Amino acid sequence: EDQVTQSPEALRLQEGESSSLNCSYTVSGLRGLFWYRQDPGKGPEFLFTLYSAGEEKEKERLKATLTKKESFLHITAPKPEDSATYLCAVQAVGYGGSQGNLIFGKGTKLSVKP
Amino acid sequence: EAGVAQSPRYKIIEKRQSVAFWCNPISGHATLYWYQQILGQGPKLLIQFQNNGVVDDSQLPKDRFSAERLKGVDSTLKIQPAKLEDSAVYLCASSFGGRDTQYFGPGTRLTVL
Repeated sequence: EDQVTQSPEALRLQEGESSSLNCSYTVSGLRGLFWYRQDPGKGPEFLFTLYSAGEEKEKERLKATLTKKESFLHITAPKPEDSATYLCAVQAVGYGGSQGNLIFGKGTKLSVKP
Repeated sequence: EAGVAQSPRYKIIEKRQSVAFWCNPISGHATLYWYQQILGQGPKLLIQFQNNGVVDDSQLPKDRFSAERLKGVDSTLKIQPAKLEDSAVYLCASSFGGRDTQYFGPGTRLTVL
């Protein structure tokens, strides 16, 4: 069964304190791994898609990396506005109706204090 | 470019009542998804449409949930009758094709009392 596990569940950082969020996955065949950011009361906002092991993507203070079993979201010198829940999702190589399905983890709630 | 629109944003109903949610996807997006997000969980797919046809509804509780996308654009998700465990945020997402990046709307927060 395809599965996504995110850790930690919650992370508190001081402004400027760099850290990483983990997303480990089990999938029959990975087509893509997605990172989303979700603010309270809002829908998930797309951040990155990674397709193959070794791939990296960057956006401002965020960098996402991918291996064959997990992905990391590195946050460098975070600011209070980076506080949000970060969701990881996998899309499996499938056939017919299951091609587009995203399987989400529970998310990591990040709080950055000034 | 306008994003995914959803309404209403909030809804409070009594159990056994019915409720409907509306979604308008990003213009030109053929694929539309409805997800259920329970507090503290990630979104879970309920149904996927490609144009006006259902591609996957394997996780939709069909005894009480129904959805349609009659003209291949807007979509409606209905719950009848609602149960307490249906309290959640209902998210609509759209993508250009079935394998492309999905963009989410703001969601509808449903509370069933």
